[in-house]
Amino acid sequence: GENVEQHPSTLSVQEGDSAVIKCTYSDSASNYFPWYKQELGKRPQLIIDIRSNVGEKKDQRIAVTLNKTAKHFSLHITETQPEDSAVYFCAAGSAEYGNKLVFGAGTILRVKS
Amino acid sequence: GAVVSQHPSWVICKSGTSVKIECRSLDFQATTMFWYRQFPKQSLMLMATSNEGSKATYEQGVEKDKFLINHASLTLSTLTVTSAHPEDSSFYICSARDPNYGYTFGSGTRLTVV
Repeated sequence: GENVEQHPSTLSVQEGDSAVIKCTYSDSASNYFPWYKQELGKRPQLIIDIRSNVGEKKDQRIAVTLNKTAKHFSLHITETQPEDSAVYFCAAGSAEYGNKLVFGAGTILRVKS
Repeated sequence: GAVVSQHPSWVICKSGTSVKIECRSLDFQATTMFWYRQFPKQSLMLMATSNEGSKATYEQGVEKDKFLINHASLTLSTLTVTSAHPEDSSFYICSARDPNYGYTFGSGTRLTVV
């Protein structure tokens, strides 16, 4: 089955700096790669996603890049703000495996003001 | 947008009792519902996939007799934790694919077994 690895486990940045979180996946059949932000005790919130027919997607300060050959995808947050502090999860999914999502271990992002 | 309503948001139960958690898709039909468990400071681990009108598919290591899943209609899936023990204490969360082919999560249920 699919295995998703996520790095780093914790990331501290200064307000205004950029943050990058990286994930790798194992199954080439995966074709959907969402990123979620989760605050303590709450549901994961989708912040951006990308499908395998696209190499990059951007939404204001957030961007995701996908390298299908290397089976890795990354989340880029620019101009970080204290409210970006949360746990971020990457995930991978495919129709071949019933569309279930497999999550990475998560990254605790701390933005210091 | 697509909404999945999950109840209860938290529950405390005595060891040995059963607890039922409900997830309802409010404005779309969820033919498939995914059930996750999340321990503190850990990731979401998929427990099972429920499909309307058929048996759930459980992930390896998940006891199907302990975690009963029922998906009786296109808008309702339930997870029953039977004979709960303190080690079952966790955050349980459901997710459904929405019409835009994304995933909508319920608000989660914090289960504490005492």
